[in-house]
Amino acid sequence: GESVGLHLPTLSVQEGDNSIINCAYSNSASDYFIWYKQESGKGPQFIIDIRSNMDKRQGQRVTVLLNKTVKHLSLQIAATQPGDSAVYFCADPGETSGSRLTFGEGTQLTVNP
Amino acid sequence: ETGVTQSPTHLIKTRGQQVTLRCSSQSGHNTVSWYQQALGQGPQFIFQYYREEENGRGNFPPRFSGLQFPNYSSELNVNALELDDSALYLCASSLAFRAGIYGYTFGSGTRLTVV
Repeated sequence: GESVGLHLPTLSVQEGDNSIINCAYSNSASDYFIWYKQESGKGPQFIIDIRSNMDKRQGQRVTVLLNKTVKHLSLQIAATQPGDSAVYFCADPGETSGSRLTFGEGTQLTVNP
Repeated sequence: ETGVTQSPTHLIKTRGQQVTLRCSSQSGHNTVSWYQQALGQGPQFIFQYYREEENGRGNFPPRFSGLQFPNYSSELNVNALELDDSALYLCASSLAFRAGIYGYTFGSGTRLTVV
């Protein structure tokens, strides 16, 4: 069945370092992915998305890379700040006209000052 | 522009009881989706409402039911509560059906504890 998973449950980095959060997916038909950030006590917040016709997409301090050959995507955060501490999820809208999101388990990013 | 608001923020119920959670969608949005997030897990899709009808359902039993009202607000009802129903319940609103996934805006959730 379709699944979206994260390679590591936790990631600890120093302030100012770059962070890389990985995600693997199993559905070859998936053509759109979204990264969410969830801070403690809050709902998931959209960060960046990418379509399968792209290998890379950049936002403000964030970059998402998509490798369709190995069904893997990553979220890179440049110059990580304490405010980046949160749980990060990749999500796949699936094939059902995008009406539902399948989330991975998430990676807890901790930024040490 | 108001965001998605959920009420209550926290709730404690006894096993076997029934609970109703409420969600007000973001202004301009007409679709509401509900997710269950167990501690340490990613959110799991429960169902979505569009034009006051259920439009897609995840792997949840019938004791999970919902409603959408003409003002696009929504309720999630859970009957015969079980201990495993303890979770954060998230509501997300979006605009339209085909474009819904792009406009997803989550509320802060309702923390339900079943004892």
